Amino acid sequence: DSGVTQTPKHLITATGQRVTLRCSPRSGDLSVYWYQQSLDQGLQFLIQYYNGEERAKGNILERFSAQQFPDLHSELNLSSLELGDSALYFCASSVEHTGDSDGYTFGSGTRLTVV
Amino acid sequence: GQQVMQIPQYQHVQEGEDFTTYCNSSTTLSNIQWYKQRPGGHPVFLIQLVKSGEVKKQKRLTFQFGEAKKNSSLHITATQTTDVGTYFCLSGGYQKVTFGTGTKLQVIP
Repeated sequence: DSGVTQTPKHLITATGQRVTLRCSPRSGDLSVYWYQQSLDQGLQFLIQYYNGEERAKGNILERFSAQQFPDLHSELNLSSLELGDSALYFCASSVEHTGDSDGYTFGSGTRLTVV
Repeated sequence: GQQVMQIPQYQHVQEGEDFTTYCNSSTTLSNIQWYKQRPGGHPVFLIQLVKSGEVKKQKRLTFQFGEAKKNSSLHITATQTTDVGTYFCLSGGYQKVTFGTGTKLQVIP
């Protein structure tokens, strides 16, 4: 157990639908990062939040949005889902907004399948 | 944004052989981190390099940061089947956190 909790672990939904992925960071970590990993592909950075505020944005589609709540958990909302959105979505956390010497701690991911 | 290229994309080695993966950036990096992702698993932090020319070792793993802080390498001596997985470098910093494309290592027993 890395200390970063992601729910649900698996999600199957139809095209056009909307889903919400949830992430609870490791205790004490203020930064949350979201990544998308398609089958046998690399990790695409989506977005970062630090202490409730958006800090950096990557290749996040307009159909996707995220937020970090006062209790520091984060949610990634994916709407108007397409088949190509099927992927593993990872959340990672760190203490500082730039990461620290202990690196980023990743959750086990949410596997999204769009049918 | 920073572009981090990692080579090779795939590597098959016989157990006991050495393995090296390289990360190359188009811009100077503030730091670089290395992660390992086992098949079906999530990335796990291995190490962070910050200083120019820095070399760090973890048992059979040797990590190096280039003098110009634009490249880094991970070298595994005498690979074992437990080394199987994908190795990613990650360039950190304030604006974006960009993973390298990853090197998938297969170890043949």
